[in-house]
Amino acid sequence: GENVEQHPSTLSVQEGDSAVIKCTYSDSASNYFPWYKQELGKRPQLIIDIRSNVGEKKDQRIAVTLNKTAKHFSLHITETQPEDSAVYFCAASRRSYIPTFGRGTSLIVHP
Amino acid sequence: GAVVSQHPSRVICKSGTSVKIECRSLDFQATTMFWYRQFPKKSLMLMATSNEGSKATYEQGVEKDKFLINHASLTLSTLTVTSAHPEDSSFYICSAPDRENYGYTFGSGTRLTVV
Repeated sequence: GENVEQHPSTLSVQEGDSAVIKCTYSDSASNYFPWYKQELGKRPQLIIDIRSNVGEKKDQRIAVTLNKTAKHFSLHITETQPEDSAVYFCAASRRSYIPTFGRGTSLIVHP
Repeated sequence: GAVVSQHPSRVICKSGTSVKIECRSLDFQATTMFWYRQFPKKSLMLMATSNEGSKATYEQGVEKDKFLINHASLTLSTLTVTSAHPEDSSFYICSAPDRENYGYTFGSGTRLTVV
């Protein structure tokens, strides 16, 4: 089955800095890679996703890059703000397959 | 977008009692529902996959008789924690694939505390 590794487990940055979270996956057939943000006690919220026919996708301060050859994808957050503080999860799946989640990264943005 | 409603959001129960958690898809038919358990500051651990009209598929190590899953209709899946014990205290959350089966919509989660 799919195996997703996520690093780092904790990331502490100053407000305004950039944050990068990296994930690797094992199943070369995976073709959908979403990123979720989860605030304490709340449901994970999809913040951005990328499919395997695209190498990069951007949405304002958030971007995701995908390298299918190396089987890794990354989340980039620029100009971080305190409200970006949360746990971020990556996931990998194939259509109609159960997603496999990474272990999560706790992002702390210091004002 | 697709919405999954989960109830209750919080429940405190006594040891030995059973608790039922409901997940309802509001504007789409969820033939599949994933049930996760999440410990504090940990990732989502898949417990089981429920399929409408058939038996749920449980992940290795998850007790079927303890975590009863029913998916009786296209819009409702339930998880019943039977004979709950303090070690069952956790955050339980459901998720359903969206219409295109690429994305996943999560319920709001249920914080279960067994005393």
